[in-house]
Amino acid sequence: EAGVTQFPSHSVIEKGQTVTLRCDPISGHDNLYWYRRVMGKEIKFLLHFVKESKQDESGMPNNRFLAERTGGTYSTLKVQPAELEDSGVYFCASSQDRGSRTEAFFGQGTRLTVV
Amino acid sequence: LAKTTQPISMDSYEGQEVNITCSHNNIATNDYITWYQQFPSQGPRFIIQGYKTKVTNEVASLFIPADRKSSTLSLPRVSLSDTAVYYCLVGDNRDDKIIFGKGTRLHILP
Repeated sequence: EAGVTQFPSHSVIEKGQTVTLRCDPISGHDNLYWYRRVMGKEIKFLLHFVKESKQDESGMPNNRFLAERTGGTYSTLKVQPAELEDSGVYFCASSQDRGSRTEAFFGQGTRLTVV
Repeated sequence: LAKTTQPISMDSYEGQEVNITCSHNNIATNDYITWYQQFPSQGPRFIIQGYKTKVTNEVASLFIPADRKSSTLSLPRVSLSDTAVYYCLVGDNRDDKIIFGKGTRLHILP
């Protein structure tokens, strides 16, 4: 069975441009999470989907970030316009049940570099 | 979520047993203890979870004393490929999301 897959694996864009990251969760997993690690810092929670609904988006940095999960399958995270401080590794995770006790499966991450 | 404290980094040699201790003094009755492992350039990976006493799987063992205020992840006979960051997490399913701390950066030397 395929794990969580993320596209692209690496993206380099100029400040002001738009980038869209994609995450395909494990099939059947209703819960989908986005996380981000900025260099030298901890992995930080961004938001949580349950199916197509945003359950918790308290970690989204600002309104330049837009996450969607149409149909409750794959999810996209758009950054528009990108700023230098958005550089980092963006991880997606999915789980069958919600909650920190449930095993979450993470993708390889998308490394975003804004120059 | 209970706050956790673990070493920032550890070095060990191949073939040795490595024990990483995590403190969680404010652990709640319903909280479980979970450890994730993150290799360079990869996402975190669940390795083990426990509530009390000892849990063992093919990757590691988890020792939890009776007061549950700490836990120890034990990696038997480590190899170079065990070099990773290890995260200790405490919570239950009332917590919707995983909160990562700084983790312990384990470096295995030849």
